[in-house]
Amino acid sequence: GAVVSQHPSRVICKSGTSVKIECRSLDFQATTMFWYRQFPKQSLMLMATSNEGSKATYEQGVEKDKFLINHASLTLSTLTVTSAHPEDSSFYICSAIRLADADTQYFGPGTRLTVL
Amino acid sequence: GQQLNQSPQSMFIQEGEDVSMNCTSSSIFNTWLWYKQEPGEGPVLLIALYKAGELTSNGRLTAQFGITRKDSFLNISASIPSDVGIYFCAGHLNTNAGKSTFGDGTTLTVKP
Repeated sequence: GAVVSQHPSRVICKSGTSVKIECRSLDFQATTMFWYRQFPKQSLMLMATSNEGSKATYEQGVEKDKFLINHASLTLSTLTVTSAHPEDSSFYICSAIRLADADTQYFGPGTRLTVL
Repeated sequence: GQQLNQSPQSMFIQEGEDVSMNCTSSSIFNTWLWYKQEPGEGPVLLIALYKAGELTSNGRLTAQFGITRKDSFLNISASIPSDVGIYFCAGHLNTNAGKSTFGDGTTLTVKP
């Protein structure tokens, strides 16, 4: 149990376009999901906390108008990188928590974004 | 906010050797978690620890929740090449709205 998927697994886009990444909990309901960004050989950097039916809470320094998060259902959260630029290229990972063990995050496989 | 100090930063070992890594914090956690991340993948949960002093095994992996609730270690016995990856510790405090604090990771390289 506790399987989280992400789509797409990798995406290449042109500068100025927007990219949407989906995070789904496949076998449980996730009231809370998290979005992370990871640079090569670095740790996970939390971007925002996403709660179903409410606005996301962004970490300090993360532009909410740049990284739009929508958590429309208990199994789906989306991250949209708007007007992407090369410096937005990174590995984006989501995680989800379930009621049974709300102190444990289960991660998706990640999405590699490359902005040309 | 809370900070985790994870060490060592990297390890280069021979296949068959045992490995030990640890995390320390200046403040307490209610839960300690250990994850493994392979290249191009998301972190995968290895072991979750819920009580101070708890010692838990998962195959060749053993982890302990420190008595002071401020530290945890992960041991890997008889390492094999597929143990290669980055190992992250994470601490969770019940009052922190589901968020966990992550260490910077220990990169493990196993030479056959």
